Amino acid sequence: RKEVEQDPGPFNVPEGATVAFNCTYSNSASQSFFWYRQDCRKEPKLLMSVYSSGNEDGRFTAQLNRASQYISLLIRDSKLSDSATYLCVVNRGSARQLTFGSGTQLTVLP
Amino acid sequence: SQTIHQWPATLVQPVGSPLSLECTVEGTSNPNLYWYRQAAGRGLQLLFYSVGIGQISSEVPQNLSASRPQDRQFILSSKKLLLSDSGFYLCAWKGGLAGVGRTGELFFGEGSRLTVL
Repeated sequence: RKEVEQDPGPFNVPEGATVAFNCTYSNSASQSFFWYRQDCRKEPKLLMSVYSSGNEDGRFTAQLNRASQYISLLIRDSKLSDSATYLCVVNRGSARQLTFGSGTQLTVLP
Repeated sequence: SQTIHQWPATLVQPVGSPLSLECTVEGTSNPNLYWYRQAAGRGLQLLFYSVGIGQISSEVPQNLSASRPQDRQFILSSKKLLLSDSGFYLCAWKGGLAGVGRTGELFFGEGSRLTVL
């Protein structure tokens, strides 16, 4: 079983739609969680950290369920510019222990 | 401000040829530096990390090596490339210190796309 698993997609949604991605992790000792965004053939960039109580940043909402060991990302009112691959990242305690999921590809259609 | 650069951006190399990818960071001192590889359709795999000059830790056995000759320079090398070395190589430094970025945040260079033929 992979340490971090994501549905690879692709998710094709119309503009304005709400879309949600899930990510599961296997190591219960994981301490911190992130969502990164990676545009085609570009480097990943941090989208948002995921906090235990859940957090929101504009149209993006991230949630963590430690009991079930999954995190989620919700994107509301999708924009064309949201098209990218979204990487789930789990940290067991230090930067060398960051594990990246293989990513979920999102395409927002006009 | 802090910046990270890596080069070359793209290269095509024959099997058995050497490799050298370079990464430099500006605007910060004593950064933790990382080399990742991303194969097609896969997550990022940590190859090496360094906490200081001359200090290299290898995460996976492989055909590659890394060196850190200066505080803000990180080099990825190979003496003889294999087909399986093809991929997207990313250098990164870790933020969260001195108020730069969020704890655990990695800042990546633009990446080097390697194709071994």
